[in-house]
Amino acid sequence: GDSVTQMEGPVTLSEEAFLTINCTYTATGYPSLFWYVQYPGEGLQLLLKATKADDKGSNKGFEATYRKETTSFHLEKGSVQVSDSAVYFCALLPNFGNEKLTFGTGTRLTIIP
Amino acid sequence: SAVISQKPSRDICQRGTSLTIQCQVDSQVTMMFWYRQQPGQSLTLIATANQGSEATYESGFVIDKFPISRPNLTFSTLTVSNMSPEDSSIYLCSAWDRGLEEQYFGPGTRLTVT
Repeated sequence: GDSVTQMEGPVTLSEEAFLTINCTYTATGYPSLFWYVQYPGEGLQLLLKATKADDKGSNKGFEATYRKETTSFHLEKGSVQVSDSAVYFCALLPNFGNEKLTFGTGTRLTIIP
Repeated sequence: SAVISQKPSRDICQRGTSLTIQCQVDSQVTMMFWYRQQPGQSLTLIATANQGSEATYESGFVIDKFPISRPNLTFSTLTVSNMSPEDSSIYLCSAWDRGLEEQYFGPGTRLTVT
């Protein structure tokens, strides 16, 4: 079945550091890929998405590129801020009309001033 | 994008009682979902709720424990029945936006069972 594997956390970085959170997936066909962010005490917010190979999703300085050859969708940001502290979830959606998301385990990110 | 609200935002309940969580979407959606997120964990899908049909439950979840209603295209409820401390969790509803092909989430209901 479909699965998403995320980099183990927690991750602690200093402000303005470069961020990478790894995400790889297993799925048949060509799923859509998503990153969601959950700030403390809140629900999930869609951060970015990519629907086909080589697509790059971007939002709020975050980027992720859909790499079919490596089945990856790594999240990156060039310079993190304290306000980026949150839990980040990678997720996939199969491409055959099933709207059920499969989530990774989440990566807790803490940014230190 | 769809805006989703949930009520209550949190509650503390006694073992053996039931709690109904309401989920309201600001636009009409075909598919709504209910998830459970245990402390420090990822999301686990409880069921899919389509308007006009019975909810479809995932493995490990049953209708007697988690009855769901979906009376129209903007509203759903999840009831957590005969609660035990193991039901302490965050319950999230979400809605599928078919036009944008994206799923949006409510803020969650934080449930503590004592």
